Amino acid sequence: NAGVMQNPRHLVRRRGQEARLRCSPMKGHSHVYWYRQLPEEGLKFMVYLQKENIIDESGMPKERFSAEFPKEGPSILRIQQVVRGDSAAYFCASSPLKSSDNEQFFGPGTRLTVL
Amino acid sequence: KQEVTQIPAALSVPEGENLVLNCSFTDSAIYNLQWFRQDPGKGLTSLLLIQSSQREQTSGRLNASLDKSSGRSTLYIAASQPGDSATYLCAVRGSQGNLIFGKGTKLSVKP
Repeated sequence: NAGVMQNPRHLVRRRGQEARLRCSPMKGHSHVYWYRQLPEEGLKFMVYLQKENIIDESGMPKERFSAEFPKEGPSILRIQQVVRGDSAAYFCASSPLKSSDNEQFFGPGTRLTVL
Repeated sequence: KQEVTQIPAALSVPEGENLVLNCSFTDSAIYNLQWFRQDPGKGLTSLLLIQSSQREQTSGRLNASLDKSSGRSTLYIAASQPGDSATYLCAVRGSQGNLIFGKGTKLSVKP
C-alpha cells in the first residue's frame, strides 16, 4: 500500500506564474488535508476536502488559492499569480473514511520557490 | 482558538540520555494528539497517536502521555541515539478534523 504521494517534490516559479501541486492519498483514504510550512514556522492548516467537496477552507487565503479533490484523480492545490511570500513547503495528508479520530498520514511535501 | 506550544524549542543531549519533550494546548476539547518527526527538508513521519480517551501510547523507545485536563502531553525518548536527531512536532486534532501544530522541538543527539 503506497503512502501519500505528492508531486512535484520541488517547484520553481517566477512571480505572477501559476503553481499546481498534486496529492494522491493513500489507497482507501477519502479525506485530504493541505498544510503549509513557511520557513522557520510551524505547519498551518489550509483546507480539508473529501471527494468532490470542500469541507473546511478556513485556513486558505481568500485570493489566488484554490483546491479541489475530483471524483477521479489527485487532489490539486492551485496558486495563481504567485508571489515571493508563497515560497514554502506544502504538505498533503490523508485519512480514512471515518475522520473524527483517525490518524493523518503525510506526504513528502512540495517545496515551492518563487523567484 | 486552539494554540499548541512546544518547549524547549531546541535541545542538545549526549547519546544514551533519556529525554522528555513537552507539548501544551489551550483547549482541552481535542479528539486526539499526534507526535511526528520531521527530518530536514523531509516530510512528517507519524510516531504516536493518542486518542482523547487514552493516557499514553508506547512504541519501542518512545512513550507519549496525554493529560487532557491540564492540556499537556509529553514525549519520552529512552536511550537516545544520534539517529533520533530531528525536529519533533506535536499536533492536536479538533472537531473540524484538521491538525493544529506546535512549532516543534529541534533535537540534536551528540555521539
